[in-house]
Amino acid sequence: GQNIDQPTEMTATEGAIVQINCTYQTSGFNGLFWYQQHAGEAPTFLSYNVLDGLEEKGRFSSFLSRSKGYSYLLLKELQMKDSASYLCAVMDSNYQLIWGAGTKLIIKP
Amino acid sequence: GAVVSQHPSRVICKSGTSVKIECRSLDFQATTMFWYRQFPKKSLMLMATSNEGSKATYEQGVEKDKFLINHASLTLSTLTVTSAHPEDSSFYICSARSLAGARNEQYFGPGTRLTVT
Repeated sequence: GQNIDQPTEMTATEGAIVQINCTYQTSGFNGLFWYQQHAGEAPTFLSYNVLDGLEEKGRFSSFLSRSKGYSYLLLKELQMKDSASYLCAVMDSNYQLIWGAGTKLIIKP
Repeated sequence: GAVVSQHPSRVICKSGTSVKIECRSLDFQATTMFWYRQFPKKSLMLMATSNEGSKATYEQGVEKDKFLINHASLTLSTLTVTSAHPEDSSFYICSARSLAGARNEQYFGPGTRLTVT
């Protein structure tokens, strides 16, 4: 079966760095996405990785290792507005998104 | 950028009535639209995939007669929740894949909060 695993909840301090991990097992792979979702809102796109390595975009970076079925989202210089759920999703061989349950990130002052 | 709208953003209806939710791609043509539902603190659950001009493909466990999907044009898909019950209360989100874009691009609407009383 297809499976995406990520921690349920994480807590970090404002100004710090946090890494959210995601492991996956899917039938085929056409890329891995990270989305941010604030409570009561739809997901917003953060990053897309299809090749191994690190993609950096401002305060956010995303890493992928296809051989290990592993990705992480790195958030630097945390701000209170970064408090949200972060969803890992993998696009399978049929170009369907398989979603993780999301990681709720709590930022403390 | 590609924009997807949903209407209404919030709806409250009585049990037994039907509710229609619209999903529109505003500045691009969408060959495929996806409908998701999300319960509180849960992940998105794909309900169905619809391609313009053809019948929607429903995921296992989703009743096609209860959740009617129409994708009549390249910019509009509708989800009708028929004979709604309180357990249908949820956050419904659509997304659209561009006709011209890469197959890995998918744009999300803002979601519709349905409450059935």
